Parts: sequence; structure tokens; C-alpha cells
Amino acid sequence: AQSVAQPEDQVNVAEGNPLTVKCTYSVSGNPYLFWYVQYPNRGLQFLLKYITGDNLVKGSYGFEAEFNKSQTSFHLKKPSALVSDSALYFCAAYNNAGNMLTFGGGTRLMVKP
Amino acid sequence: DAGVTQSPTHLIKTRGQQVTLRCSPISGHKSVSWYQQVLGQGPQFIFQYYEKEERGRGNFPDRFSARQFPNYSSELNVNALLLGDSALYLCASSLLPTGNYQPQHFGDGTRLSIL
Repeated sequence: AQSVAQPEDQVNVAEGNPLTVKCTYSVSGNPYLFWYVQYPNRGLQFLLKYITGDNLVKGSYGFEAEFNKSQTSFHLKKPSALVSDSALYFCAAYNNAGNMLTFGGGTRLMVKP
Repeated sequence: DAGVTQSPTHLIKTRGQQVTLRCSPISGHKSVSWYQQVLGQGPQFIFQYYEKEERGRGNFPDRFSARQFPNYSSELNVNALLLGDSALYLCASSLLPTGNYQPQHFGDGTRLSIL
């Protein structure tokens, strides 16, 4: 069975500093990986995806993610954090059939002024 | 264009009752998926439907069922509600069917509380 892990429940960073939210995965076959963000009382918003190709994926709102096959990781990054980036972030992976997303437990990002 | 819309936004039920949640996908999207998000956890996959056919099912009991209509909207039904069914139920739509690894676009969910 495939799984997605987000080892940090919460990440704290000062505004203007770089941020990293960690994700590791365990899937059979090729990984199809996603990052979503969730604001309070809202659904999930798509940020970026890795299907194939370059290991550095660029997404919405200045976010990017680094795919590392040997470490089975897909960490979310941003060079300069904003207070408005404070939210709940989820990493997810498709199963081989492409009909089911498996989500990690989520990481709360707190950006302080 | 309107995003994925779900109704109702909030719902309170008692144990043993039945509930129906509704979802309208983004215009042109033919695939609809349902997820359960318990407070403090990531979403858990329940069902995926495409062209009115079930294309995937998660590890949920038979009390959970769903269907998709010709206009691609969908309903999720839960019978014999338990306290543990209290959660945010999310609907997501995507343009293409299974195997295409498209991003799924989520609605804001229905918050179901069981008393």
C-alpha cells in the first residue's frame, strides 16, 4: 500500500525567510505527487504537481518543490515567506490507477511578522 | 467560471440518521471524487466516479454510497450515521478520467456534525 508522510506537524518561520515543508512518499511504480494548501473553513487549493521531468517543479504563489527519487522526498519550498502563506499544507500521491489521491497528515505553516 | 460547489455547507444529524451531500463539478469536468477529512487529519479517499460509473472506492463501509448524474453532479449518501462520521466531506472534480493524473479541484466541503 502506498503512503505519504509529513514528518512535521507545524513549521514556524519568520516573514522574509525561506521555508521548507517536508514530504516523503512510498509508492509502487512511478510517483505522481502533488501539494495542496488549505485555508481555514475552505477546501484544498492545488499548488503544484510532479508527474515527470525536471526535479524542481514551480507552482502557484511562488512555491516550488524538489523531487528526490533516491530519498523518496518531495519537499515544498519558498524563497521568502509571507504572513499570508500561513495555512495547512498537504502532500499527496496518486495510486497507479490514477483514481485515488493518498494524502499526508498535513503540516501547519506559521509565518510570523 | 464557478468552481466546485457543495451543499449544504453545514449539517447536524443524530446517530442512526441518514444524510445526502451534493456536489457540482467545474463545468466540463466529468470526474468527481469524494474525500472525508476528520479534524486534524489529511483527507481520506471515499469514491471516484466518471461518466456515472464508480472508478474507485476507498476503505469505507457499505454505509457509504454515491452516484453521479448525467450532468456530472454527484451525491454522497451515508446511512446509519455514527459519531465517527463527523468530518468535513470534500468533493473534487477533474477534467479527465482515471490514469491521467490530473490535479483535482476541491470544493469548500460540507461540515457534518453527528450528535
